[in-house]
Amino acid sequence: DQQVKQNSPSLSVQEGRISILNCDYTNSMFDYFLWYKKYPAEGPTFLISISSIKDKNEDGRFTVFLNKSAKHLSLHIVPSQPGDSAVYFCAASGGADGLTFGKGTHLIIQP
Amino acid sequence: DAGVIQSPRHEVTEMGQEVTLRCKPISGHNSLFWYRQTMMRGLELLIYFNNNVPIDDSGMPEDRFSAKMPNASFSTLKIQPSEPRDSAVYFCASSPFAPGSRNGYTFGSGTRLTVV
Repeated sequence: DQQVKQNSPSLSVQEGRISILNCDYTNSMFDYFLWYKKYPAEGPTFLISISSIKDKNEDGRFTVFLNKSAKHLSLHIVPSQPGDSAVYFCAASGGADGLTFGKGTHLIIQP
Repeated sequence: DAGVIQSPRHEVTEMGQEVTLRCKPISGHNSLFWYRQTMMRGLELLIYFNNNVPIDDSGMPEDRFSAKMPNASFSTLKIQPSEPRDSAVYFCASSPFAPGSRNGYTFGSGTRLTVV
């Protein structure tokens, strides 16, 4: 049973436009959420995070939004650049355990 | 800092053979995690250690899987005997914090395992 769900396996966006990646979670104990980015043949790298006490966190072109009532978070990338093409993993944490990841969304930025 | 080092990068083995994956965490990191990536299930946490002690191995799929951390600078994940459904990319990650700290994870480049 997937506790962190990324329902879009892939997403194609034109360069310069906004990319929106979505993530849903089911475990009410999760109180911290992260996004990781992964290029081929490399390990995932941390991108941005948000605590459940906030509903928005911004870092340059990247903004994460959290809707606790809907158990939903999203990552916005604006403007999208070719180097943003990668697999993005949503992750969640709620206690003493390691991170729980989703299946990932492959973002493709088209010129 | 060389980061988290995993070996081998690629492993192709026949069904029934023993496979050993290796990980060297970043020096000074107290926590170590083994993850498996598949298309069907994404990144799954298999087991994690804190100060070389296994804390939770509930993610290990079967008894065929075992992991050890004999010292702070080395960990292994062993599959014996291997099966085709074990084919996946296996990642090791380390963190300078306790497992529940959420931050500070550094992943290795992974080992792509193919069992034929």
